[in-house]
Amino acid sequence: DAKTTQPTSMDCAEGRAANLPCNHSTISGNEYVYWYRQIHSQGPQYIIHGLKNNETNEMASLIITEDRKSSTLILPHATLRDTAVYYCIVRVAYGNKLVFGAGTILRVKS
Amino acid sequence: DAGVTQSPTHLIKTRGQQVTLRCSPKSGHDTVSWYQQALGQGPQFIFQYYEEEERQRGNFPDRFSGHQFPNYSSELNVNALLLGDSALYLCASSLAGVLTDTQYFGPGTRLTVL
Repeated sequence: DAKTTQPTSMDCAEGRAANLPCNHSTISGNEYVYWYRQIHSQGPQYIIHGLKNNETNEMASLIITEDRKSSTLILPHATLRDTAVYYCIVRVAYGNKLVFGAGTILRVKS
Repeated sequence: DAGVTQSPTHLIKTRGQQVTLRCSPKSGHDTVSWYQQALGQGPQFIFQYYEEEERQRGNFPDRFSGHQFPNYSSELNVNALLLGDSALYLCASSLAGVLTDTQYFGPGTRLTVL
């Protein structure tokens, strides 16, 4: 079973920041937080991951709370092409499988 | 583009038949994982191959088997197909021995069993 809880769906206006929350209250000290997204019928796309520090790359920012029990993925300027299912996954490193939950359906609207 | 390729894109089979799906990992990657995604659900882990051996396996019956070749490419075989095997089959590649061995997914193979 997935170890994360995410809202079923969210809406965001085009050009605004999209903030996607994830709860992982049972996360272990050696588990990373990964985010993927999946646009309809395509393979999941890796977005970002982190352990305990905030992370930023060209796609998004990941904010992890100090107790590591929750995190937020931030898409700074959402576009229509960001409409997708976003998956938050906690995973031990070194080869372990990804366990997907239901994810959050993000709808970006013009 | 993650650099992972899968073939074929789509496939239609009938119940009882056998199917082979193929995956080429991203350049420099040596580990291949396979996932099954039924309609409306998240991907489910089938198994992972490293050094031509199955390293981990999810809760899938023995009808699902795989192989990894010396060039790191991989095949997924499903025997005695059932209607419930209709799904998007995803391959992901990664590099072993790296602390954060991120998995990168291919576009998937859509299998329809009639």
